[in-house]
Amino acid sequence: EAQVTQNPRYLITVTGKKLTVTCSQNMNHEYMSWYRQDPGLGLRQIYYSMNVEVTDKGDVPEGYKVSRKEKRNFPLILESPSPNQTSLYFCASSLQAPRGGHEKLFFGSGTQLSVL
Amino acid sequence: AQKVTQAQTEISVVEKEDVTLDCVYETRDTTYYLFWYKQPPSGELVFLIRRNSFDEQNEISGRYSWNFQKSTSSFNFTITASQVVDSAVYFCALHSGGYNKLIFGAGTRLAVHP
Repeated sequence: EAQVTQNPRYLITVTGKKLTVTCSQNMNHEYMSWYRQDPGLGLRQIYYSMNVEVTDKGDVPEGYKVSRKEKRNFPLILESPSPNQTSLYFCASSLQAPRGGHEKLFFGSGTQLSVL
Repeated sequence: AQKVTQAQTEISVVEKEDVTLDCVYETRDTTYYLFWYKQPPSGELVFLIRRNSFDEQNEISGRYSWNFQKSTSSFNFTITASQVVDSAVYFCALHSGGYNKLIFGAGTRLAVHP
């Protein structure tokens, strides 16, 4: 089944403790992206990747890191989480970048992160 | 500037009522794409529709219909004869220019009561 898999689904951590949220897609998609969802703000892009070893900042990249060593995986890393990073996170992928608007984004099930 | 506004934060209806979710967008580009996504209580985001700026035809899919009006920069979504399973948060999104992202509205939470 074609899907984007995120883990974990829920995560509670404390300030400053490094964590990684994994994202994997099995559709051979080139483009992958991370969004965070906050009440009243919708979804905002954190980072995106056009292909292996190609990543770039989105609208809210501060406090996050990503890597794209393999096509299928795009982990989101919080080196020193803070309470303002408490949010619902989504990984998304598409065959190619949505530059032309043609591509439909496929989303993972989300990761609810709480930083205490 | 690119922006998507969903002015309705929450809507509550009784089953079988028709309901319209509003979406107003801003962009200076002449070529752009508009999307609707549904987020049910389980949390995942489900793609509903994509429409490009050159196609102003309204679209109907079962109980769902979309009204795209460039003159008012709106892309409204109507659910006819709503059902409890329609309860979800609905997001409108815009892609335009060379940006590698979708710009989402804040979402509208729809509650359909039996």
